[in-house]
Amino acid sequence: DAGITQSPRYKITETGRQVTLMCHQTWSHSYMFWYRQDLGHGLRLIYYSAAADITDKGEVPDGYVVSRSKTENFPLTLESATRSQTSVYFCASSVAGGPFNEQFFGPGTRLTVL
Amino acid sequence: AQSVTQPDIHITVSEGASLELRCNYSYGATPYLFWYVQSPGQGLQLLLKYFSGDTLVQGIKGFEAEFKRSQSSFNLRKPSVHWSDAAEYFCAVVEGGGATNKLIFGTGTLLAVQP
Repeated sequence: DAGITQSPRYKITETGRQVTLMCHQTWSHSYMFWYRQDLGHGLRLIYYSAAADITDKGEVPDGYVVSRSKTENFPLTLESATRSQTSVYFCASSVAGGPFNEQFFGPGTRLTVL
Repeated sequence: AQSVTQPDIHITVSEGASLELRCNYSYGATPYLFWYVQSPGQGLQLLLKYFSGDTLVQGIKGFEAEFKRSQSSFNLRKPSVHWSDAAEYFCAVVEGGGATNKLIFGTGTLLAVQP
């Protein structure tokens, strides 16, 4: 039934640790996206993927790594977390690219870096 | 560069009153525009979208938006607000005028509804 899910929903970590946020969609959508949401900035695109093994940078990619070995999964890794990466992270997917294809959003992961 | 401005950070309206949330965009050609709603603790849900044609678009939950090219605006409206409309609302534009579906979001407007 799921649609698009994110895990964990909440995460607290320490500066310098590696953290991976998971995103899974059951629709076989080609496109997947990672956004971060911060007060005063709205949502900003971190990375996106047009298909398995195809990824590209968004507006704020520094400090993040993504991979997409399977169509349904799009993990986001913070290799060495910093306090400035404290944020709410949203994953989204769409059936294809182009403006006519709606993005569907997951429920978000609230990450706190101490 | 393209941008979206939502000038109102926070708006409070009484239940039953009308609502207008402002959105201005910066783009030379015809933009692809969206309004999303984010309820507390939830992801974003698409309310409506504008691509071309009729400048008044209808969305879900009784919302509508009007595209005004002369004012570079895409304001969201609802004639009578319900308490369940309390949420954060985001206006967005497709980057590059449609070559991709990468979205540029405004900073959001938080709507509070008074009983």
